[in-house]
Amino acid sequence: DTGVSQDPRHKITKRGQNVTFRCDPISEHNRLYWYRQTLGQGPEFLTYFQNEAQLEKSRLLSDRFSAERPKGSFSTLEIQRTEQGDSAMYLCASSFAGEYEQYFGPGTRLTVT
Amino acid sequence: QKEVEQNSGPLSVPEGAIASLNCTYSDRVSQSFFWYRQYSGKSPELIMSIYSNGDKEDGRFTAQLNKASQYVSLLIRDSQPSDSATYLCAVSLSGNTPLVFGKGTRLSVIA
Repeated sequence: DTGVSQDPRHKITKRGQNVTFRCDPISEHNRLYWYRQTLGQGPEFLTYFQNEAQLEKSRLLSDRFSAERPKGSFSTLEIQRTEQGDSAMYLCASSFAGEYEQYFGPGTRLTVT
Repeated sequence: QKEVEQNSGPLSVPEGAIASLNCTYSDRVSQSFFWYRQYSGKSPELIMSIYSNGDKEDGRFTAQLNKASQYVSLLIRDSQPSDSATYLCAVSLSGNTPLVFGKGTRLSVIA
């Protein structure tokens, strides 16, 4: 399978714990995006990278959230001191710089209890 | 603030009919427009992209764009029960910049 992959697919954590998600983009896609989706809503942009450079962060992204893409390949999204409001589907997408279509991975569903 | 508006539905159509899904966007300088299909519990799947005014057809799907009216639509011909899903309209300012999504329209195709 050469699509976008995400790990884990499901995560249940207690409030106050830290969690980290991983995204592996489609090979040779140099742009990588993180979105968050809650029930009944469309995905909301969080942050994105071109290669290893983080180009933009949404105002939705509080200081508890951090993302990196150290070698321009996979990316990680960390949430510190999780809150119940962080419960959502975290989606990763990738695109090739010369093309506009973004392709999504299967998502990581986070439940904060 | 950039907004993308869609009727949340549900839109119910009989099998074999044409389903028409609509979307309006607020940022006049938007350049790229996409339709994604999302089955319950799954991630969005890209089904159509359109960048210039007019129609673009791909199989049973036709995307229509009218930049003057800030309006995008998706037509699904010969609707099948397997088309039952939520359809998300997404817009970006240019190229591969972040997408702004609508809340989606839930389509139900009745056999």
